[in-house]
Amino acid sequence: AQSVTQPDIHITVSEGASLELRCNYSYGATPYLFWYVQSPGQGLQLLLKYFSGDTLVQGIKGFEAEFKRSQSSFNLRKPSVHWSDAAEYFCAVGAGNTGGFKTIFGAGTRLFVKA
Amino acid sequence: GAVVSQHPSWVICKSGTSVKIECRSLDFQATTMFWYRQFPKQSLMLMATSNEGSKATYEQGVEKDKFLINHASLTLSTLTVTSAHPEDSSFYICSARDAMGPNSPLHFGNGTRLTVT
Repeated sequence: AQSVTQPDIHITVSEGASLELRCNYSYGATPYLFWYVQSPGQGLQLLLKYFSGDTLVQGIKGFEAEFKRSQSSFNLRKPSVHWSDAAEYFCAVGAGNTGGFKTIFGAGTRLFVKA
Repeated sequence: GAVVSQHPSWVICKSGTSVKIECRSLDFQATTMFWYRQFPKQSLMLMATSNEGSKATYEQGVEKDKFLINHASLTLSTLTVTSAHPEDSSFYICSARDAMGPNSPLHFGNGTRLTVT
């Protein structure tokens, strides 16, 4: 069965420092991978997605992610974190077939940014 | 971009009453919408897939008679929590795709905070 693992429950980084959030997936076929961000009390916003082509994908707000099939990973990165990046980040995999598509979410990683 | 509107953003109700939550796709048609539930500091758990013009598909462990889903049009799905109890208090989020296929991202509403007293 498909699953998504985000090993870090929370991460704290200093403003201006680089960031990497880890994500590992389990899926038997070609994965469709996403990163979403959620601000407190809000819905989720798509940061970026991958389903084919270049394994390094660029997203909004300066985020990027790299798909590594050999490691079953899709880690999210940002070279310089801003205080406004503090939020909950969810990695997700799209799975299914023509009978129905589902999006499976990881447990999330909460990012804290310190001045 | 595709916008999903969810209403209300928060609701407080008494135990035993029913609450209806609306999810609308504002600028696209959504034959399928998804309802998630999120507990504090936890991930989103898929409750059900709402299909326009047909019955919803519920995930294992979700009571279909308690969480009634109606998807009467291509732009509106509703979730009704019937006979609500305090344990139903949670954050409910709807989402929809503006295209078919697992590579199409979900567009989310801003969620509804339900508190049952």
